[in-house]
Amino acid sequence: GENVEQHPSTLSVQEGDSAVIKCTYSDSASNYFPWYKQELGKRPQLIIDIRSNVGEKKDQRIAVTLNKTAKHFSLHITETQPEDSAVYFCAEGGGTSYGKLTFGQGTILTVHP
Amino acid sequence: GAGVSQSPSNKVTEKGKDVELRCDPISGHTALYWYRQSLGQGLEFLIYFQGNSAPDKSGLPSDRFSAERTGGSVSTLTIQRTQQEDSAVYLCASSLPSRYEQYFGPGTRLTVT
Repeated sequence: GENVEQHPSTLSVQEGDSAVIKCTYSDSASNYFPWYKQELGKRPQLIIDIRSNVGEKKDQRIAVTLNKTAKHFSLHITETQPEDSAVYFCAEGGGTSYGKLTFGQGTILTVHP
Repeated sequence: GAGVSQSPSNKVTEKGKDVELRCDPISGHTALYWYRQSLGQGLEFLIYFQGNSAPDKSGLPSDRFSAERTGGSVSTLTIQRTQQEDSAVYLCASSLPSRYEQYFGPGTRLTVT
């Protein structure tokens, strides 16, 4: 079945530094890889996603890279700000189970002012 | 426009009682998903509805869990004979036809005492 490993589980950075979160997946048929940000007590919010026909996608301070051969993808946040502090989840989908997403366990990101 | 809505926002119930959780997807979204998030954990897929197709129930943890979607819109997740391990936040998401992006509701926090 599908499985997603996410690292690190916690990440602490200083404001202005970069943060990188990495995920590996098992279903070679997966072709959709979203990232969600969840603030305490709030709903998960889609912040960026990438499809398997693209190696990298950028949106302002956030970027995602995908290596289909190695079956891993990463979230990069540059110039971090305190409001970036949240739990970040990676997920994979679009493979053998089409619509459903399989999520990683989450990374608690803390940005210190 | 209006996002995904869920009710109730909080539900406290006694062990052994049945509960019903409701999800109202974004208008025009034909796909609807239920996930469960236990404290400090990632999101666990439960069930997925797509249009008039048979639902993907592969994530339901036991036969005490069931869900229906009436008229292709509102969905109800029912948990019978609740157990303490059912305590979690139950999240609903929806997506447009043939699109992977899922948008989440605020969740229902279920506490079984």
